Amino acid sequence: QAVVTQEPSLTVSPGGTVTLTCGSSTGAVTSGHYPYWFQQKPGQAPTTLIYDINKKHSWTPARFSGSLLGGKAALTLSGAQPEDEAEYYCLLSYSGARPVFGGGTKLTVL
Amino acid sequence: EVQLVESGGGLVKPGGSLRLSCTASGFTFSNAWMDWVRQAPGKGLEWVGRIKSKTDGGTTDYAAPVKGRFTISRDDSKNTLFLQMNSLKTEDTAVYYCTTADVGAWGQGTLVTVSS
Repeated sequence: QAVVTQEPSLTVSPGGTVTLTCGSSTGAVTSGHYPYWFQQKPGQAPTTLIYDINKKHSWTPARFSGSLLGGKAALTLSGAQPEDEAEYYCLLSYSGARPVFGGGTKLTVL
Repeated sequence: EVQLVESGGGLVKPGGSLRLSCTASGFTFSNAWMDWVRQAPGKGLEWVGRIKSKTDGGTTDYAAPVKGRFTISRDDSKNTLFLQMNSLKTEDTAVYYCTTADVGAWGQGTLVTVSS
């Protein structure tokens, strides 16, 4: 099974910009992996922020954006707010195989 | 309003069985591919399995750790998804979420504890 890698932790200043990445042990992440990004706050269920690389749901704050960057999927937060402090997970789909979650990135806004 | 509500969690002994349910509302359940995802205490998210819509074949797929022990099914007439869990192990202890990528929805989760 493929391994999906994320930064274990990142810190961003309020109002600052941070990029979280999501890599695959099988090689470059492409549109064919249909990258998803989820946010999970302590004690809560996850919520879906981004799907298919960069598509947003109606509830996704505009300050979040998704992209492919340097062979990885990326989630960029521009103008971080205290309420953005959370765990972020990516999910990659593999043709003919099961989808795999990354280990998560704990984002601190400080 | 889109909503997913899980139920059926609880305490079960190793080797036992449990059936989880997930009732959907606010979207066309019969057209949706539905997933189960779990989260062990203090750990990350783990994909458990998926069932496609009947129009897409209604087939299921499972993660390796649960294949052969867990079964996903659906009752489109009741907008309900099921997860039948047999031969439970202590490592199956987790919060179980139902979710669908179709509308980006997640349930609130139900806790399954496998312990003697």
